[in-house]
Amino acid sequence: QKEVEQNSGPLSVPEGAIASLNCTYSDRVSQSFFWYRQYSGKSPELIMSIYSNGDKEDGRFTAQLNKASQYVSLLIRDSQPSDSATYLCAVNRNPGNQFYFGTGTSLTVIP
Amino acid sequence: DGGITQSPKYLFRKEGQNVTLSCEQNLNHDAMYWYRQDPGQGLRLIYYSQIVNDFQKGDIAEGYSVSREKKESFPLTVTSAQKNPTAFYLCASAVRDRDGYTFGSGTRLTVV
Repeated sequence: QKEVEQNSGPLSVPEGAIASLNCTYSDRVSQSFFWYRQYSGKSPELIMSIYSNGDKEDGRFTAQLNKASQYVSLLIRDSQPSDSATYLCAVNRNPGNQFYFGTGTSLTVIP
Repeated sequence: DGGITQSPKYLFRKEGQNVTLSCEQNLNHDAMYWYRQDPGQGLRLIYYSQIVNDFQKGDIAEGYSVSREKKESFPLTVTSAQKNPTAFYLCASAVRDRDGYTFGSGTRLTVV
């Protein structure tokens, strides 16, 4: 079983819609959860982090965490063509500060 | 500006040759990491280092070597023992687990 699993997509949404990206993880002791955005040919950039159950909002982005279900999601409201990228879910558990990444979900926002 | 610098951006390796990828950070981060990214496989951990003069193997360390003689620097050597080295290599650093990684811009290695 993989540490972190994501639907590889591709996921296509029209401009202005809500994009929903999902991620599950296998280790219940995981403490920290992150979403990275990666444009084609570029390195990942951190867009959201979440540590507690519930929702965390930052602009058009909302991260949701449910530790009981071992599930973390990212919602992108009012999707823009510039949001078209691959989104990586990452999970961290102590000790060692080692992150585990999903394979990423490819998102295309259609103008 | 603080950040992580990887060089070169593109690197070509001949069969049987060792090559070294550079990673330098001025963020004063303790931990540094090397990942390899292949299409459809996500990021796979090669080596990581929590402190100077100490490092641990990741999931795919075979055919690679690293050193951590300075806090700022964590070079990766791809040896001739690595049979399929063509990939996108990413260096990252972190202060502590809750802060997330900061990535460098990556090195794209191709075998010719």
